[in-house]
Amino acid sequence: AQKVTQAQTEISVVEKEDVTLDCVYETRDTTYYLFWYKQPPSGELVFLIRRNSFDEQNEISGRYSWNFQKSTSSFNFTITASQVVDSAVYFCALSEQNSGGYQKVTFGTGTKLQVIP
Amino acid sequence: EAGVAQSPRYKIIEKRQSVAFWCNPISGHATLYWYQQILGQGPKLLIQFQNNGVVDDSQLPKDRFSAERLKGVDSTLKIQPAKLEDSAVYLCASSLQGTNNSPLHFGNGTRLTVT
Repeated sequence: AQKVTQAQTEISVVEKEDVTLDCVYETRDTTYYLFWYKQPPSGELVFLIRRNSFDEQNEISGRYSWNFQKSTSSFNFTITASQVVDSAVYFCALSEQNSGGYQKVTFGTGTKLQVIP
Repeated sequence: EAGVAQSPRYKIIEKRQSVAFWCNPISGHATLYWYQQILGQGPKLLIQFQNNGVVDDSQLPKDRFSAERLKGVDSTLKIQPAKLEDSAVYLCASSLQGTNNSPLHFGNGTRLTVT
C-alpha cells in the first residue's frame, strides 16, 4: 500500500484560479511530519511547508494554504490566484522515525500542475 | 548559505558500464540522503547517512549500487554495472539533524541515461 497517495496526476488551471492538491497518507506513528515540496522544470525540489501531527490548525502563508485533517489522513495544499510560475510538480511527503530513531521521508508520486496564462 | 552541490549534471553511459555521482551537502548538515527519481515518479530513498554512518540502505540494490560518505561530509554514489532500468535522476539531499521535523534540502540532481 502506498504510504503517500497523490491521486491527481496532472491538473491544468487558468491563471488566477485557485487550485487544491490532494494528499492522503498512511502511518502507524503518532508523531510524524508532513511536507509539501515543489519541483519546477529545473529539477530541484524546493521545500514549501511543514506540519506536525499534533497541530491540525490550518494556516495561510501568502498564496499558499493547507488543510490538515488527521481524521481522514489528508494534507491538502491550496494555491490561490495561481500564476504561471506555479507550474511545477508538487510532492507531498511523510516523515516518520525509522527503527533507529532517524527520519524516514517517503514521497508521493507527485501532481503536475500547469497554469495556463 | 550555499545549497547542496551535485555533479555531474548529466551522464550518458552504456549498459554494463560504471558511473559515479558526487554530492556536497550544506555545511553543518549531519544527514545526507540519496534518492532515485524515475521519470513520472516520486523520489525513492536509496541510502541515508547520519554523519559517516549508514542508517538506512534497505532499498539500495547492493549488488550494483554502493555509496560512501567519508569524513561525514561529501558523498559518492556508484553504480556498477549499470542496467537500462537505472536511467533516472539521482538526487542528493541533506538535512540539519535527521530528526523527523527537518526539511530536506535538495541538489539539482544528476540525470543518468543508460543506453
